[in-house]
Amino acid sequence: NAGVTQTPKFQVLKTGQSMTLQCAQDMNHNSMYWYRQDPGMGLRLIYYSASEGTTDKGEVPNGYNVSRLNKREFSLRLESAAPSQTSVYFCASSGTGGPRAQHFGDGTRLSIL
Amino acid sequence: AQSVTQLDSHVSVSEGTPVLLRCNYSSSYSPSLFWYVQHPNKGLQLLLKYTSAATLVKGINGFEAEFKKSETSFHLTKPSAHMSDAAEYFCVVSDDSWGKLQFGAGTQVVVTP
Repeated sequence: NAGVTQTPKFQVLKTGQSMTLQCAQDMNHNSMYWYRQDPGMGLRLIYYSASEGTTDKGEVPNGYNVSRLNKREFSLRLESAAPSQTSVYFCASSGTGGPRAQHFGDGTRLSIL
Repeated sequence: AQSVTQLDSHVSVSEGTPVLLRCNYSSSYSPSLFWYVQHPNKGLQLLLKYTSAATLVKGINGFEAEFKKSETSFHLTKPSAHMSDAAEYFCVVSDDSWGKLQFGAGTQVVVTP
């Protein structure tokens, strides 16, 4: 029972390069989320998908795009990476029907030079 | 609108002594509240959650939290710290109808022998 799986775990990019972070969950959850974590700022929501076929902006969406490929998979794309996007990225999923605990992956540590 | 303030960015305790992590929240509606723990280089793990049932909530690993509406607080406690409790702890609030979370900035816990 893997839960939420993120790939890759680590990545170094040069400014201007593009990259897609992958996330898959095996809990049959409807909702999925992408966060970034920066020191002293907790986790900030980038994008979320309340259900398959829908996506919405979160608190910090600029510079990112997402795709809800199917119920299991939710990817995050950086089209032109910038040093300000150096961060740890977490994917999470949850069931629906009011506030529910989210289940997190182990994160992708991304450095942009 | 919802927000969370964790009153201590760092807490240092001796092994075997009590742990207290303080959290105040702001919410327009009846909130759901969570505490998550993050060990180094790991994702976030749910410790406990409050969703308008009993105000004293018991979680995993001996942690508990008390919801006090009059004080808008949700402090996390543990009677006796263990070395394995060294981690970062996040207080989280949600008053969103479908589950969007607002994270506090986190409290780093250090446990000394």
